[in-house]
Amino acid sequence: GEDVEQSLFLSVREGDSSVINCTYTDSSSTYLYWYKQEPGAGLQLLTYIFSNMDMKQDQRLTVLLNKKDKHLSLRIADTQTGDSAIYFCAERASDAGGTSYGKLTFGQGTILTVHP
Amino acid sequence: DVKVTQSSRYLVKRTGEKVFLECVQDMDHENMFWYRQDPGLGLRLIYFSYDVKMKEKGDIPEGYSVSREKKERFSLILESASTNQTSMYLCASSTSSVGTGELFFGEGSRLTVL
Repeated sequence: GEDVEQSLFLSVREGDSSVINCTYTDSSSTYLYWYKQEPGAGLQLLTYIFSNMDMKQDQRLTVLLNKKDKHLSLRIADTQTGDSAIYFCAERASDAGGTSYGKLTFGQGTILTVHP
Repeated sequence: DVKVTQSSRYLVKRTGEKVFLECVQDMDHENMFWYRQDPGLGLRLIYFSYDVKMKEKGDIPEGYSVSREKKERFSLILESASTNQTSMYLCASSTSSVGTGELFFGEGSRLTVL
């Protein structure tokens, strides 16, 4: 089955870049996602990348995808204290068999702490 | 604005009690999901539903059941709550239409079983 792995903690200083890494196992993944969870809240989609892309940039966020190594990363430039949250990597399997119904498999979540 | 609403944000129940967690979405989504979130384990899928009255087991269905009588509502049921079911429960929905497959999440229901 699918498996998604992330490191649990990352601590950075305000203004530095943060890089959160993720590895996944399902080579048939179609979309890969980064979700953000702020304290006491549900998950919100931060960004996503389609599996035929290797990079996506959206303002301060850069997503890099290495399909060969099944490695996904999220870079946050100029990290702010408001970026402190839990970040989840997730993958969506191919629906070719018609049985995934849009299920996402999530990693353990990386707790990002930004120090002033 | 899209919305997934979980009726109870915080619940405290006793071992052996029956627990209902309700989730409603207003986006006419076909797919609905119940995940459980525990520190260091991330989100684990309990059950999901791709249509009214249809349900499929996720990765950790033991001790849980679900009900989907209407398209907009998906309920998670703990027939006899146990302390190891103390957790944060997250409901999500998505469309089956072609697109990014994004899941939309509710705010979560934090359940404590004493």
